Amino acid sequence: IAGITQAPTSQILAAGRRMTLRCTQDMRHNAMYWYRQDLGLGLRLIHYSNTAGTTGKGEVPDGYSVSRANTDDFPLTLASAVPSQTSVYFCASSDSDNNEQFFGPGTRLTVL
Amino acid sequence: GQNIDQPTEMTATEGAIVQINCTYQTSGFNGLFWYQQHAGEAPTFLSYNVLDGLEEKGRFSSFLSRSKGYSYLLLKELQMKDSASYLCAVRDSNYQLIWGAGTKLIIKP
Repeated sequence: IAGITQAPTSQILAAGRRMTLRCTQDMRHNAMYWYRQDLGLGLRLIHYSNTAGTTGKGEVPDGYSVSRANTDDFPLTLASAVPSQTSVYFCASSDSDNNEQFFGPGTRLTVL
Repeated sequence: GQNIDQPTEMTATEGAIVQINCTYQTSGFNGLFWYQQHAGEAPTFLSYNVLDGLEEKGRFSSFLSRSKGYSYLLLKELQMKDSASYLCAVRDSNYQLIWGAGTKLIIKP
């Protein structure tokens, strides 16, 4: 692994189903983030984690949950998907002493 | 509320210079970032400004005026590969990034 990986690359999901988007980084970064990107809107922060074992809510957390059991992994779960959660989801990480956020390749999620 | 404004779309000619503006109103300021995002790809970091003035990095420069809540990204000697969206983001008092919707830059031969 080099950098950040996300899985799956894309997914079509029926409304009401549960879905977990996976994110793994190998840079030993303390902080990790989940964003959604919708056409015409800026990236919006869903949840973040400043260090393993801690998480926080971003701008649009409703309908999503996260966990940070270790430094490398930061999964995002949709407990019961709704069509408004159709979006491209990006995971990112940063070193707490660094300014730059590194992004994963994204997951394109469609909820029907 | 917090707000980042940038033009939706700009067109420029290969070899020319283009300036992409960004104005912001945020709760606190702890730096401004510019990212590049090619269609279908992830954003990648271009520049960071926390003090007023110009930061130059090769063909790209970024300027910040904190008193005016204003920044611009200057791209020189434009190449076709510069066709992308350019995202402005401000780190607020909670050290979270607030993102603009991005400026789609179209380069014509």
